[in-house]
This record gives sequence, C-alpha cells and structure tokens, in this order.
Amino acid sequence: DGGITQSPKYLFRKEGQNVTLSCEQNLNHDAMYWYRQDPGQGLRLIYYSQIVNDFQKGDIAEGYSVSREKKESFPLTVTSAQKNPTAFYLCATADRGLGYTFGSGTRLTVV
Amino acid sequence: GESVGLHLPTLSVQEGDNSIINCAYSNSASDYFIWYKQESGKGPQFIIDIRSNMDKRQGQRVTVLLNKTVKHLSLQIAATQPGDSAVYFCAGAPTGGGNKLTFGTGTQLKVEL
Repeated sequence: DGGITQSPKYLFRKEGQNVTLSCEQNLNHDAMYWYRQDPGQGLRLIYYSQIVNDFQKGDIAEGYSVSREKKESFPLTVTSAQKNPTAFYLCATADRGLGYTFGSGTRLTVV
Repeated sequence: GESVGLHLPTLSVQEGDNSIINCAYSNSASDYFIWYKQESGKGPQFIIDIRSNMDKRQGQRVTVLLNKTVKHLSLQIAATQPGDSAVYFCAGAPTGGGNKLTFGTGTQLKVEL
C-alpha cells in the first residue's frame, strides 16, 4: 500500500464504545486524510491534516476526532456520539501537487 | 450535498471491448483531476491524472479525456480484461485548494466473459 499502514483491518465496536483506528505512513507526506465509505457509495471526507499539530473538519466530522502529533501518524477515534459507525474507513496521504495514496482500509462493524 | 442512499451506477462490458467511464464535475475552478480504481475490500489505487491545461493523456491501456467546456471527464480502458472489474472514481482539486480532492460517486465496472 505504498508506505501507508492502516490497522486493524477489521474492528468490532460495541454500542457506546470509543474505538481508535490507526494510520501510519513512511512516505514523508505532509497531508493526511480520513474518508468514510459506505456500501455502494463514494468517499466522504471526515478530517484532514495539512501539517503536524493542525487538522480541519471535513464534510462528516460529527462523532469523530483526530490528532496529528507526529508527521507519520494520524489516528481516527470513532466516538460513541457517532450513531452509525459501521463503514469502511480509508486513510490517505498526499504530497504537494500530487494525488492521494491510500491505505488498505479498516472495516468497522458495530456489534 | 449528501448522496446517502445513492448507489453506484454500473457499466457492463464484454471482455476485449473498450470501456468508457464518465464523470461530470461542477467546480469550474478545478485544475487537477485523477482517476482511481478500487477493488472490493481494498483502498483506491491511482490510475492516471490530468491537469486542466491538457485535453487528453494516455497511459498503459487507459486514456483520460478532459472537456472543460462541459466540465466532463472520461476514462477509456482499451481491451477490457476481467482484472479491470472494480469501482472507478474520478476526483478533482480546485486551483489553490492544495491537495484537497473531491471525489465523484464512482462507477462499478463489470467485465463479462
């Protein structure tokens, strides 16, 4: 996956529980992104970060939180406030002027 | 706006035929476009890109055409193979928008043997 590692590949969450999805990159890219993908649908932007210690909300940020303490890492926490978290989550990175490189995704299921 | 509940359109082609996947964009300020391929359960993979100062760009078995007048982008796949079966997304970035891409809803390509 081009130097982007998402873990775990599958994750199960109980009702009311917070879970954190990991995204690590060794591409030295400044920008990192989190997308959500529901079955049969396109990608929706949750959060993005253009530089360390800074991040912005995307189109569907409610119920999610992120941090960017290191250039290599951009973890996503799905909080209990997210009422419909079951989805495929994709992390991506980007270098200046170029397109995204995606990770292999994490499939989150509420049980 | 939101497109919840909108399912991907499907394109079915016979193996060996050419495929044409279309994408319309609304932001006339977009100046960089990319096509991605996503296989089931995997992350999207880069196929080909094009900047707005070009009308056409060719890769291996793929061609992207850009019509800025009607804000239309297409991906042509020559001699479609079973391994081409996937969902194809177009994405665009506006001038001055940095790396922030906006993705289309995608098209499911099915290759029939």
